[in-house]
Amino acid sequence: GESVGLHLPTLSVQEGDNSIINCAYSNSASDYFIWYKQESGKGPQFIIDIRSNMDKRQGQRVTVLLNKTVKHLSLQIAATQPGDSAVYFCADALMDSSYKLIFGSGTRLLVRP
Amino acid sequence: GAVVSQHPSWVICKSGTSVKIECRSLDFQATTMFWYRQFPKQSLMLMATSNEGSKATYEQGVEKDKFLINHASLTLSTLTVTSAHPEDSSFYICSARYTGRGSNQPQHFGDGTRLSIL
Repeated sequence: GESVGLHLPTLSVQEGDNSIINCAYSNSASDYFIWYKQESGKGPQFIIDIRSNMDKRQGQRVTVLLNKTVKHLSLQIAATQPGDSAVYFCADALMDSSYKLIFGSGTRLLVRP
Repeated sequence: GAVVSQHPSWVICKSGTSVKIECRSLDFQATTMFWYRQFPKQSLMLMATSNEGSKATYEQGVEKDKFLINHASLTLSTLTVTSAHPEDSSFYICSARYTGRGSNQPQHFGDGTRLSIL
């Protein structure tokens, strides 16, 4: 991910709507990508991952899309719920021995009741 | 499974004090642990990679004499912030590399330590 700036962009959605959170990464050699959810005062929580040999992966209510051509990653959350309110980070890594993660700048998701 | 515990969760101390933060993998062995720093409304920045039984690898710009890392066992890594000053106030998060079965996550994260230096 690209970690820049001091201001978290915010996405505000109505409860029940779908959410799309976007992320750009800079290392074209990265071959593994993860989305994390972070609630206030807590560590990151794994949501979903995808390897570079795929362009889409689905989980429960979440879908990750990977576009390697433009180095772009997105997270789609279906039927967004109040409990989804948090900061979301993408991270990219190389599947070598370290799996060192590079985190993106994050997006705050606010769900309106 | 694959739980990472961090202690303390919150610490306030005077400027000049050294503070030790522990990161434990409770139900698995972790040959590699990672230490991150997070300022308010910012992302996680990797500080160092800690390997059991060897010296930590620090990221560029991170002072190794300021942030001492020890990984003496497969379940414990410690980060000591030496002679802490107000600018060291931050949220410190550790993670542990998990290579066993039952998890598709490369790193499991602790819940962080909020460090406030007065």
